[in-house]
Amino acid sequence: QKEVEQNSGPLSVPEGAIASLNCTYSDRGSQSFFWYRQYSGKSPELIMFIYSNGDKEDGRFTAQLNKASQYVSLLIRDSQPSDSATYLCAVNQNDKIIFGKGTRLHILP
Amino acid sequence: DTEVTQTPKHLVMGMTNKKSLKCEQHMGHRAMYWYKQKAKKPPELMFVYSYEKLSINESVPSRFSPECPNSSLLNLHLHALQPEDSALYLCASSRQGAGELFFGEGSRLTVL
Repeated sequence: QKEVEQNSGPLSVPEGAIASLNCTYSDRGSQSFFWYRQYSGKSPELIMFIYSNGDKEDGRFTAQLNKASQYVSLLIRDSQPSDSATYLCAVNQNDKIIFGKGTRLHILP
Repeated sequence: DTEVTQTPKHLVMGMTNKKSLKCEQHMGHRAMYWYKQKAKKPPELMFVYSYEKLSINESVPSRFSPECPNSSLLNLHLHALQPEDSALYLCASSRQGAGELFFGEGSRLTVL
């Protein structure tokens, strides 16, 4: 099974700043990529998906994909304390949705 | 409100017990998944059902037995579990081939 790698953090970002979360994957055949947010004690919640190279924006969230570099990122603008959570990168590998270990994000008030 | 419902929310069982976890979705999704998640770890894929047929089994021990009675329901039958099987069991569904998972709230299992 191919790898999905994330820095585990914690990543501490001041309120109102931009949080940048990164993910790399090893399977060049992967076609679809996802970001999930998981609050402590809760189940994961899909926040963004991206299939094509480039940027995809949804509100305060921007997902970026670079298939040549096998790199996916998530930017959160105007970070809020409610954004404090673990962010899981996931990759579709032949209908298996494989998760990275997640990055813990802490927004400092 | 989640559109994927899991029951029970909490389950405590002994190593000789037989129990089942249940999952229901009403989004018309044709792919359903079981994941296992231990504390501070990512979800780990166990099984995938596609159009009510088992399409992926990630070499899960036979003490876990999945069942998909119809396109809305997914069960996980548990028998002779070990304490290390204690975890949060997550059910998810997605449109076929899409990969965007919608998770239930999970069933927290404790094996004594």
